[in-house]
Amino acid sequence: ELKVEQNPLFLSMQEGKNYTIYCNYSTTSDRLYWYRQDPGKSLESLFVLLSNGAVKQEGRLMASLDTKARLSTLHITAAVHDLSATYFCAVGSNQFYFGTGTSLTVIP
Amino acid sequence: DTGVSQDPRHKITKRGQNVTFRCDPISEHNRLYWYRQTLGQGPEFLTYFQNEAQLEKSRLLSDRFSAERPKGSFSTLEIQRTEQGDSAMYLCASSITSGRETQYFGPGTRLLVL
Repeated sequence: ELKVEQNPLFLSMQEGKNYTIYCNYSTTSDRLYWYRQDPGKSLESLFVLLSNGAVKQEGRLMASLDTKARLSTLHITAAVHDLSATYFCAVGSNQFYFGTGTSLTVIP
Repeated sequence: DTGVSQDPRHKITKRGQNVTFRCDPISEHNRLYWYRQTLGQGPEFLTYFQNEAQLEKSRLLSDRFSAERPKGSFSTLEIQRTEQGDSAMYLCASSITSGRETQYFGPGTRLLVL
């Protein structure tokens, strides 16, 4: 069974700072997804990474994929309070495996 | 623009009862997924349909769980003889075969088994 690990599990950061969330997975996957979940809400798709070296950016978030290292990163630039949420990575094609999530709190 | 809808949004039941949840995907989406999410965890894959065919089912899914997608439109997830350990958020997602396979999630059905 494919395993997906994220770290850190909890992240508290000050507004304006930069930080990176890491997602490691155990076997080959040709796709990697990042989702955001606000408390009590469902998941919202952020990025789909389809190939080695793929980089996607949206606002203050940038995601990258290294399929050889089986690693994806989600980089946060100049964090703002609105980014506070739980972030999940997921891999798979028909059956999908999610990480345990990174709970991000941005402090003013 | 209607997204993925799920019904009911909340369900409280007693142990041993059967429950059924419904998911209506985005209309042109041919793929439909069911997940279970417990507090502090990521979604756990349960099953996947392409059109009306159930193509994948988690090995973790007990025989008490069954899902259908008649005519490739809406889907139902039934849990028979519910147990307290079934208490969770049940999420449905849909996607279209495109190479990207971005899944769009519904709001979920929160189940509490007493």
